[in-house]
Amino acid sequence: DAGITQSPRHKVTETGTPVTLRCHQTENHRYMYWYRQDPGHGLRLIHYSYGVKDTDKGEVSDGYSVSRSKTEDFLLTLESATSSQTSVYFCATGPGEKLFFGSGTQLSVL
Amino acid sequence: AQSVSQHNHHVILSEAASLELGCNYSYGGTVNLFWYVQYPGQHLQLLLKYFSGDPLVKGIKGFEAEFIKSKFSFNLRKPSVQWSDTAEYFCAVMEAAGNKLTFGGGTRVLVKP
Repeated sequence: DAGITQSPRHKVTETGTPVTLRCHQTENHRYMYWYRQDPGHGLRLIHYSYGVKDTDKGEVSDGYSVSRSKTEDFLLTLESATSSQTSVYFCATGPGEKLFFGSGTQLSVL
Repeated sequence: AQSVSQHNHHVILSEAASLELGCNYSYGGTVNLFWYVQYPGQHLQLLLKYFSGDPLVKGIKGFEAEFIKSKFSFNLRKPSVQWSDTAEYFCAVMEAAGNKLTFGGGTRVLVKP
């Protein structure tokens, strides 16, 4: 497996609080992605990055922001968490044709 | 934008049965196609991919998939499943010149021993 670490692995938070999820890679991949996984929806792209400080929106970006100040780190922030953001969040890295996925973060917003 | 449809949400079958999972995509241009698998409690892993050439591609663990361009389909098959194939399977598509994967909704497969 590629060296991808997501933290935290599990988090429970309250509606309205900010939350930051971290993805760390050791493969020096240019591209990094944040997906959320929900039953029946598969994985949906939230944001992605194609380089340091270079990011773009995916299909479900509302309510989320990202930052990438170093090649190895890609942060996902829920600015004010809502119950609809309860999900499993996966980070992925690599060229698009060969993505490696992290182990996921289970986020519950109460 | 492209989209991906997986027809079956849940499939239950017995060991040694054959498996076929349907996947259709909508996109007018050239695409790369993928099947990923997620075993219980694990992250996604690549099963196989199609970029060009022979439309019948073979992947890991005895899986294969056939790309039928005229039908915009990329169905996954395995002739004889095992209990260890219990997992969720995701079809995904990427524009040939792009770097973003679009996933289908997934199919949960349960193989009964």
